[in-house]
Amino acid sequence: DIQMTQSPSSLSAPVGDRVTITCRASQSITSYLNWYQQKPGKAPKLLIYATSSFQSGVPSRFNGSGSGTDFTLTISSLQPEDFATYYCQQSYRIPYTFGQGTRLEIK
Amino acid sequence: QVQLQESGPGLVKPSQTLSLTCTVSGGSISSGGYYWSWIRQHPGKGLEWIGYIYYSGSTYYNPSLKSRVTISVDTFKNQFSLKLRSVTAADTAVYYCAREYGDYPKGYGMDVWGQGTTVTVSS
Repeated sequence: DIQMTQSPSSLSAPVGDRVTITCRASQSITSYLNWYQQKPGKAPKLLIYATSSFQSGVPSRFNGSGSGTDFTLTISSLQPEDFATYYCQQSYRIPYTFGQGTRLEIK
Repeated sequence: QVQLQESGPGLVKPSQTLSLTCTVSGGSISSGGYYWSWIRQHPGKGLEWIGYIYYSGSTYYNPSLKSRVTISVDTFKNQFSLKLRSVTAADTAVYYCAREYGDYPKGYGMDVWGQGTTVTVSS
């Protein structure tokens, strides 16, 4: 299986800050990397697919980049509704696997 | 727009079979290019991909669960289902169904999710 490792596991930041979450794959997944946002008690929500493509309705303050094994999700200016847990997921090879999650909290 | 809704028992006894159904509304399960997925999340933990099915019936499973899992599709009812056999407490989780756009084995993310259903394995 392809292992996905996110860092940091948790992050505290104030509204308006710029934050970056990283995701590393144990082998190359080219650009088949997706990002999800999950709020407590809710299903995950697809934010970005194929490394950098926005899902419909996702604000432009979210940005994804990377290729091969190293990827990042950047939120340019944190809004109150952005505090959640973020997961990366590879969809390059079965079984699809997720990172362990990054919990983003208000500072 | 397409919506998904999981249904099934919330409590299953150890060694029995967990059975869940996902009903697709607002669109056809037979739409090409979409794979119909099951994912679970253990309490307070991350996400685990269980497997998915194409409307033609082709299935792809996580090897870690493959010996116990069956995913099936009913195109007439616009539903797909999950069966997980010989469950233990380790199978207690929130189970989600979701839609993945892709071209096996590559995917483009799960863009529609059900709300999730909690399944507890306990006697």
